[in-house]
Amino acid sequence: SQTIHQWPATLVQPVGSPLSLECTVEGTSNPNLYWYRQAAGRGLQLLFYSVGIGQISSEVPQNLSASRPQDRQFILSSKKLLLSDSGFYLCAWSTPQGPGTEAFFGQGTRLTVV
Amino acid sequence: DAKTTQPNSMESNEEEPVHLPCNHSTISGTDYIHWYRQLPSQGPEYVIHGLTSNVNNRMASLAIAEDRKSSTLILHRATLRDAAVYYCILSYQSGGSNYKLTFGKGTLLTVNP
Repeated sequence: SQTIHQWPATLVQPVGSPLSLECTVEGTSNPNLYWYRQAAGRGLQLLFYSVGIGQISSEVPQNLSASRPQDRQFILSSKKLLLSDSGFYLCAWSTPQGPGTEAFFGQGTRLTVV
Repeated sequence: DAKTTQPNSMESNEEEPVHLPCNHSTISGTDYIHWYRQLPSQGPEYVIHGLTSNVNNRMASLAIAEDRKSSTLILHRATLRDAAVYYCILSYQSGGSNYKLTFGKGTLLTVNP
């Protein structure tokens, strides 16, 4: 069966520090991968998606970047965190079979920038 | 992006059916209607999806209007564990093999014992 791992679960980082969040998927190949962010009391905002190794699309301009060094690995990074980067970050995957398939989400990372 | 409109909150009693509405008047012919739910501090969980016909699974039923401009998620017997934020989402192809799920604010469902 397929599983998605996301870590760490919680993170407190000072303003100006770097960030690296990792997400890995098991049990499937060539998944579509997604990073979402959820600010407190708000809906989920799509940040990045990837359809293959090295292929990253950004949905909104921001202080973050994403990379996909391996087929089932998706990394969210920042060189210098801002207070506004605080939020709940979620990784998700889906099969590349189109909009009639479901997406599976990780348990999320709660990031607090202080 | 095609958008959906949902009530901010709804309340139900345990053991009773719940009908969660969603309007998507700008839906296109190839958009799928997905429902996800999210418990506090957890990632969203898939509930159900459909294109044109009504759908049933072990969790819920999805009733889609004939003109596809609205849909209703039906929980047949609400339990306390169904208390969550429910998102109605249109899933559409976004170039190549990718499709996107664009979330709105969802409906906060409260279930009273």
